[in-house]
Amino acid sequence: GAGVSQSPSNKVTEKGKDVELRCDPISGHTALYWYRQSLGQGLEFLIYFQGNSAPDKSGLPSDRFSAERTGGSVSTLTIQRTQQEDSAVYLCASSLDPTGSKRYEQYFGPGTRLTVT
Amino acid sequence: GEDVEQSLFLSVREGDSSVINCTYTDSSSTYLYWYKQEPGAGLQLLTYIFSNMDMKQDQRLTVLLNKKDKHLSLRIADTQTGDSAIYFCAERMNNRKLIWGLGTSLAVNP
Repeated sequence: GAGVSQSPSNKVTEKGKDVELRCDPISGHTALYWYRQSLGQGLEFLIYFQGNSAPDKSGLPSDRFSAERTGGSVSTLTIQRTQQEDSAVYLCASSLDPTGSKRYEQYFGPGTRLTVT
Repeated sequence: GEDVEQSLFLSVREGDSSVINCTYTDSSSTYLYWYKQEPGAGLQLLTYIFSNMDMKQDQRLTVLLNKKDKHLSLRIADTQTGDSAIYFCAERMNNRKLIWGLGTSLAVNP
């Protein structure tokens, strides 16, 4: 079945450029999460979307990071003026409506490996 | 503060049992998870346990939770080379985000 998909799978960019990362959640999943996994680090929460509610942006490391979710489905994470420390694997996850019995299961995409040179 | 800790490496022989341990700090966590990440692949949910349970078994996997000590373990019976991966422990702080450990790299030797 269709899982969470992300694109691109790899992105190499020059320092100072903007990048956009895309996530397609599992159909019917209303919650969407972005995480970052840096080398030697654990998973770092970035942002969470749930339905039409205001997103939880508490994990975004700086104002260079932003995300949107259009139509309650596809999400785009944008990093402006990229820095070398932004190099990481960016993971997207989705889960069913948080009021349901499966609300605590998050399903992850394969990630986008971002390298800032 | 919020913290999840795991040992970074574990090496076992094929056929032996593996036990991966995790400690967490927040007693209000509701669910605790184990995820598996194979090389070059995304994260795969292996299993999870609700905080009012102390054990959950699923085929070769056994999860033990000691809520008093805030200790979680994952036992893999009859470990195979295909089990070689990084295993992440995570606790749910609320219904919005998980706090993750750094992952335990499991090496299975033939």
